[in-house]
Amino acid sequence: AQSVTQLDSQVPVFEEAPVELRCNYSSSVSVYLFWYVQYPNQGLQLLLKYLSGSTLVKGINGFEAEFNKSQTSFHLRKPSVHISDTAEYFCAAMNQAGTALIFGKGTTLSVSS
Amino acid sequence: DAGVIQSPRHEVTEMGQEVTLRCKPISGHNSLFWYRQTMMRGLELLIYFNNNVPIDDSGMPEDRFSAKMPNASFSTLKIQPSEPRDSAVYFCASSFRSGANVLTFGAGSRLTVL
Repeated sequence: AQSVTQLDSQVPVFEEAPVELRCNYSSSVSVYLFWYVQYPNQGLQLLLKYLSGSTLVKGINGFEAEFNKSQTSFHLRKPSVHISDTAEYFCAAMNQAGTALIFGKGTTLSVSS
Repeated sequence: DAGVIQSPRHEVTEMGQEVTLRCKPISGHNSLFWYRQTMMRGLELLIYFNNNVPIDDSGMPEDRFSAKMPNASFSTLKIQPSEPRDSAVYFCASSFRSGANVLTFGAGSRLTVL
């Protein structure tokens, strides 16, 4: 089983609609969880991270994610998307050794007008 | 801070040629990572350095791949000889080693092997 699973490879939405990008993690990784965004021809940028504490994490650009231990999930949400949110989104978790990030395969968010 | 600097941004080469990708991490960061991104396999960790020492190279696909970090401000990833299946985007990332690595990525080097 994959360590970090992103359930949707592509998510098309209309501008101003809400969006949820799903991510599940396995017991083979730690519960240090991250979402990164990759715009075309660019490197990855950190959106938000969960290390401990409140299970609802707020990040940049109006995104937030909720850590759910019982469902081993860390879904990313935004209540109203913009055209500029069109990008690839990666969920990641730190490995058990605490040395490196394991990434999901990514979800392409396409926002149209 | 200029961020993580990678060069070249694009490389097109022929099968059998040697390829060298370069990375300059953020000053003060003591961990450096090389990732490879392909459509089929997503982002794969190739190798990880801490304080210039390779800690985990289990992701390096085969002996044709090698990576070095001669000092805290420079790392190379070399492929010799290159093959078409090595075509990918190679990312370098750095972080300050802590309980939770927040990686800063470079813009990537897109390699095409013909």
